Amino acid sequence: DAGITQSPRHKVTETGTPVTLRCHQTENHRYMYWYRQDPGHGLRLIHYSYGVKDTDKGEVSDGYSVSRSKTEDFLLTLESATSSQTSVYFCAISESGGAADTQYFGPGTRLTVL
Amino acid sequence: KQEVTQIPAALSVPEGENLVLNCSFTDSAIYNLQWFRQDPGKGLTSLLLIQSSQREQTSGRLNASLDKSSGRSTLYIAASQPGDSATYLCAAYTNAGKSTFGDGTTLTVKP
Repeated sequence: DAGITQSPRHKVTETGTPVTLRCHQTENHRYMYWYRQDPGHGLRLIHYSYGVKDTDKGEVSDGYSVSRSKTEDFLLTLESATSSQTSVYFCAISESGGAADTQYFGPGTRLTVL
Repeated sequence: KQEVTQIPAALSVPEGENLVLNCSFTDSAIYNLQWFRQDPGKGLTSLLLIQSSQREQTSGRLNASLDKSSGRSTLYIAASQPGDSATYLCAAYTNAGKSTFGDGTTLTVKP
């Protein structure tokens, strides 16, 4: 299994509070991704990074920001959490973004916004 | 905008049966297509990746095919086992960062 950890694994928070989720990898892969998974919507890309300090938006980026100051860490921040951001969040990595690159996923973080 | 559809949403088969899962996509300009397995409460595990220039990939009892002209991919599972019970997702990648996932097919293999 690829060395990907996510923290926290579960979090319950209140509307309006800031939340930061962390993804940590030990594979030295260049690309890192954040997805959310919701019933009826499948997995949707929030943001991704193609190198330290290099990030781009995905399909559902509104209300989320990301940062990547080190190769191994990719942070997802909800500046002011809303109930619509209740979801399961997955981090993924891939080595170089090439056509032959497999994506490897972390175990997920279940976030509940009350 | 890329759309990915997986039909059926759920499938139940007896152990030992061969089966096919379907994935269709609307934009044929894909980078690659990947099949994943997801067990309840877990992350996704990569099964097979087919590059846009390839027609199929095989791993053990699994075989995935890709037909870009028709916008279809299939995952063939031979001699199904109860341990194959899971949700299977396909994802179409249009470049290294952009992916579109289907909603998945939930497979139940009965002993």
